[in-house]
Amino acid sequence: DTEVTQTPKHLVMGMTNKKSLKCEQHMGHRAMYWYKQKAKKPPELMFVYSYEKLSINESVPSRFSPECPNSSLLNLHLHALQPEDSALYLCASSQEASGTDTQYFGPGTRLTVL
Amino acid sequence: QKEVEQNSGPLSVPEGAIASLNCTYSDRGSQSFFWYRQYSGKSPELIMSIYSNGDKEDGRFTAQLNKASQYVSLLIRDSQPSDSATYLCAVNLILTGGGNKLTFGTGTQLKVEL
Repeated sequence: DTEVTQTPKHLVMGMTNKKSLKCEQHMGHRAMYWYKQKAKKPPELMFVYSYEKLSINESVPSRFSPECPNSSLLNLHLHALQPEDSALYLCASSQEASGTDTQYFGPGTRLTVL
Repeated sequence: QKEVEQNSGPLSVPEGAIASLNCTYSDRGSQSFFWYRQYSGKSPELIMSIYSNGDKEDGRFTAQLNKASQYVSLLIRDSQPSDSATYLCAVNLILTGGGNKLTFGTGTQLKVEL
């Protein structure tokens, strides 16, 4: 089973709202990732968690705040977003955050910021 | 120079033909290479991974890696209309500060015509 789940599937929020995206995997993977994907562009890495610790932050604005409550869960807290933050947000997981492990993607959350 | 380069396409092939998708990368230290398929509005789905020079076959798909030329390709035999999608080449780059980062090419749009 290589399933990564994400909720919600769609989210519409105003610029003053606070919302959270959730990601869950039950494959025993120890690395989890957040990506952002704009239309007709490849996924861009935002954050990497390895063994529940933040290991990579790709200079993401502070209005995006990641959290890894346990090895199976990954959250992305959103606050004061801008319309240009509208995108598909993808969660992925891999066995380890090594150079060879395959990353498996969840279905994504389609975010629209009004 | 972009880290991972792909021809954006669209690449059009007739049904039953062989589709050839190409990718070049800039970092000679890269160790692992992946092909993902992405349908419009969906998340990336792993098609193949390859780590060693040569060919790797899985059903109708063959991945080819040439580290000396920094080149990786994907061949799809007996192309079907359901293969019509964007194919993302991804290369795992080892970071100087530790850790690694999966970097995607811009993707090649494949259209299989009846």
